[in-house]
Amino acid sequence: ETGVTQTPRHLVMGMTNKKSLKCEQHLGHNAMYWYKQSAKKPLELMFVYNFKEQTENNSVPSRFSPECPNSSHLFLHLHTLQPEDSALYLCASSQEEGIKAFFGQGTRLTVV
Amino acid sequence: SQQGEEDPQALSIQEGENATMNCSYKTSINNLQWYRQNSGRGLVHLILIRSNEREKHSGRLRVTLDTSKKSSSLLITASRAADTASYFCAARRDDKIIFGKGTRLHILP
Repeated sequence: ETGVTQTPRHLVMGMTNKKSLKCEQHLGHNAMYWYKQSAKKPLELMFVYNFKEQTENNSVPSRFSPECPNSSHLFLHLHTLQPEDSALYLCASSQEEGIKAFFGQGTRLTVV
Repeated sequence: SQQGEEDPQALSIQEGENATMNCSYKTSINNLQWYRQNSGRGLVHLILIRSNEREKHSGRLRVTLDTSKKSSSLLITASRAADTASYFCAARRDDKIIFGKGTRLHILP
């Protein structure tokens, strides 16, 4: 266990559904990240939060909406997704931005 | 944009042999990190080498960094079946960690 917990581990949703992914860390880290991992593509950095403030939005479509209510929790709200959004969504945290990230196990998302 | 690019994309070796994976990157970096990922799971940080370092060791892992060539290599010595995984290099640039596509390493019994 890395200390970063993601729920749910698996999610199947229709294109008209609204769902949320949750990430939790109690490592005392200040930076949290969302990554998307699709088959045969590099990990794509989606969002970065540092001290609860969003410092990076890597041109992610608005159907993905992050929320960081405190330094221990990070959410990714999903609505009207497309089948091509099916992927493994990984949350990570680090003591400071850009240093030694600890990853959760990921949420395997399937959009039908 | 992709920062690190690993080479080869896939590698199969016999147990006990050494495995070498390479990573090239495009822009200046603060540090370079290597991660391991077992199938469908989260990534695990292995080792970090700073831009002013040339070589670093951790157990059976040896990482080199050549900033003039913008490249790094990860050597795993005396490979074991448990080393079967995907390995990613990740470059820190402007406080972001950007990953490559990874090398799939398969250790044959």
